[in-house]
Amino acid sequence: DQQVKQNSPSLSVQEGRISILNCDYTNSMFDYFLWYKKYPAEGPTFLISISSIKDKNEDGRFTVFLNKSAKHLSLHIVPSQPGDSAVYFCAASRPGGTSYGKLTFGQGTILTVHP
Amino acid sequence: DGGITQSPKYLFRKEGQNVTLSCEQNLNHDAMYWYRQDPGQGLRLIYYSQIVNDFQKGDIAEGYSVSREKKESFPLTVTSAQKNPTAFYLCASSYRDRVGTQYFGPGTRLTVL
Repeated sequence: DQQVKQNSPSLSVQEGRISILNCDYTNSMFDYFLWYKKYPAEGPTFLISISSIKDKNEDGRFTVFLNKSAKHLSLHIVPSQPGDSAVYFCAASRPGGTSYGKLTFGQGTILTVHP
Repeated sequence: DGGITQSPKYLFRKEGQNVTLSCEQNLNHDAMYWYRQDPGQGLRLIYYSQIVNDFQKGDIAEGYSVSREKKESFPLTVTSAQKNPTAFYLCASSYRDRVGTQYFGPGTRLTVL
């Protein structure tokens, strides 16, 4: 049962334009969401996060939007740069008990930014 | 310099052999995690530990074992019982009282010949 889904395996964008990466989740217990960026043969690095009490969080060129009613979140990168080319994973966490701190990841979206 | 180290970067093993992957962190994190990544798939949780001498199975624990004797170390053993061990293995750590953000090591690519 895939509780966190990234339905677009890949996305191609021109440099300077906006990149929008999408993520859907099914478990209404999730209350904290994160985006990670991963280059080949390296570990993922944390990018940005959002708590379920917010609907938007911004950090420089990166903004994450959360729509709780639709169980959907998105990552906007503006403007996109060639160095942003990587695999992006969304992840979700639920509170409490032995699940505390445990992350459930989506399948990832490969972003390619063309010069 | 604080961080997470995994060794070796590349590992080859013959079918039927057990192999242990190392993970060490000096971030003073309480919790540590092991994930597996396969092509076209996300990160799947194998085992995690929120405190020394305690660990829980993740979503795909069969064929794996772990130990957590020290706060800094969380080695993963891939046993011969694991049917498809060839994969990219990632270790992560986080504060136990701070939800969400996990910090990852560089990974170990295991290939079974």
